[in-house]
Amino acid sequence: DIQMTQSPSSLSASVGDRVTITCRASQGIRNDLGWYQEKPGKAPKRLIYAASSLQSGVPSRFSGSGSGTEFTLTISSLQPEDFATYYCLQHNSYPRTFGQGTKVEIK
Amino acid sequence: QVQLVQSGAEVKKPGASVKVSCKASGYTFPTYGISWVRQAPGQGLEWMGWISTYNGNTHYAQKLQGRVTMTTDTSTSTVSMELTSLRSDDTAVYYCARDPLSGWPFDYWGQGTLVTVSS
Repeated sequence: DIQMTQSPSSLSASVGDRVTITCRASQGIRNDLGWYQEKPGKAPKRLIYAASSLQSGVPSRFSGSGSGTEFTLTISSLQPEDFATYYCLQHNSYPRTFGQGTKVEIK
Repeated sequence: QVQLVQSGAEVKKPGASVKVSCKASGYTFPTYGISWVRQAPGQGLEWMGWISTYNGNTHYAQKLQGRVTMTTDTSTSTVSMELTSLRSDDTAVYYCARDPLSGWPFDYWGQGTLVTVSS
């Protein structure tokens, strides 16, 4: 199974801050990775697919990069509605595996 | 528009079984498989398994092998997930999501179904 190691597990940031979240795969997964935002009581929402492609309708302050084993989600200027939990997901092979999640909290 | 609509909340006793359905609309059903994901209270997202809506092939998470069964009904564009021998740690919100054989998965999700296992 491919393990996805996500860091940090939580972070505190202020509105306007630049935020970076990282996922490392235990083996190469090309660009078979997505990033998801989860808010309490709602289904997860896809932000990024193919590691760096922005989902339609998602603000351009979200961006993804990486390929192979190292991936990054960046929020260029954190907005109040961005306080949530973020997950990476690899779909290179079965079983699909999620990162452990990063909770972004208000400083 | 694409929609995945799941069945309602369930309360079950330990040892019982639960079946959650996911009805798809707004796209050609056999062109996208469906994955099931669950989230226990205060925990992260856990992938449970995948089913091809084209031919019924499945992949299940190792830890659920023997307890989970996923089925598809093309006549009603519905996928179902049955989990047996329920335990308290199966209490979670269960989601279905589109997951094609090739391409970029988890673009659309169901609204979630809360399954509570309690004596």
